[in-house]
Amino acid sequence: LAKTTQPISMDSYEGQEVNITCSHNNIATNDYITWYQQFPSQGPRFIIQGYKTKVTNEVASLFIPADRKSSTLSLPRVSLSDTAVYYCLVGDASSTGANNLFFGTGTRLTVIP
Amino acid sequence: EAGVTQFPSHSVIEKGQTVTLRCDPISGHDNLYWYRRVMGKEIKFLLHFVKESKQDESGMPNNRFLAERTGGTYSTLKVQPAELEDSGVYFCASSPMGRGAKNIQYFGAGTRLSVL
Repeated sequence: LAKTTQPISMDSYEGQEVNITCSHNNIATNDYITWYQQFPSQGPRFIIQGYKTKVTNEVASLFIPADRKSSTLSLPRVSLSDTAVYYCLVGDASSTGANNLFFGTGTRLTVIP
Repeated sequence: EAGVTQFPSHSVIEKGQTVTLRCDPISGHDNLYWYRRVMGKEIKFLLHFVKESKQDESGMPNNRFLAERTGGTYSTLKVQPAELEDSGVYFCASSPMGRGAKNIQYFGAGTRLSVL
């Protein structure tokens, strides 16, 4: 499983766009990049997943450069309810790859009023 | 549709006692996973069921931990006897089979285990 590196914490004001970057220099060909969000006293919740270029859904956007050695989770116009820990995971999504997820330390995002 | 449910939400036991945690996955999800976070550490994988079969139990810390999934529906994780270092939050997750991007798992709220 590819190791990921992301900032330990970030602060942002309400209404701003937040970008959290994750480094994964050893990403393999079959690896997908997946982001999870975790609120206190809850389990992690899937946000977005991508393989390359850009992916967008109703919650966030995920930008992946051509070399795939990093990725950036973009949260538009954050609100106080976006305060959470965000995990970047890299794992083999092929049928023969391992199924378990590897969680790093995550990035603790604090949204300030 | 109901999500992954875990019971109890919190358990406080004394060292040496036995505790059984239960997980009900999302209906129809063949994959069921157990993870845990001990104090101050990262979330770590414990094991993975496909239906009733253990697919991967490489993360189980020792033989005091026993996981079962009879009938391929709900799962239990028993700790016997519990030790102080077993304290933490135990998460269960599930996912369906046949998805192209299988790193999408649905987590329960967790069971907080406190061993005194």
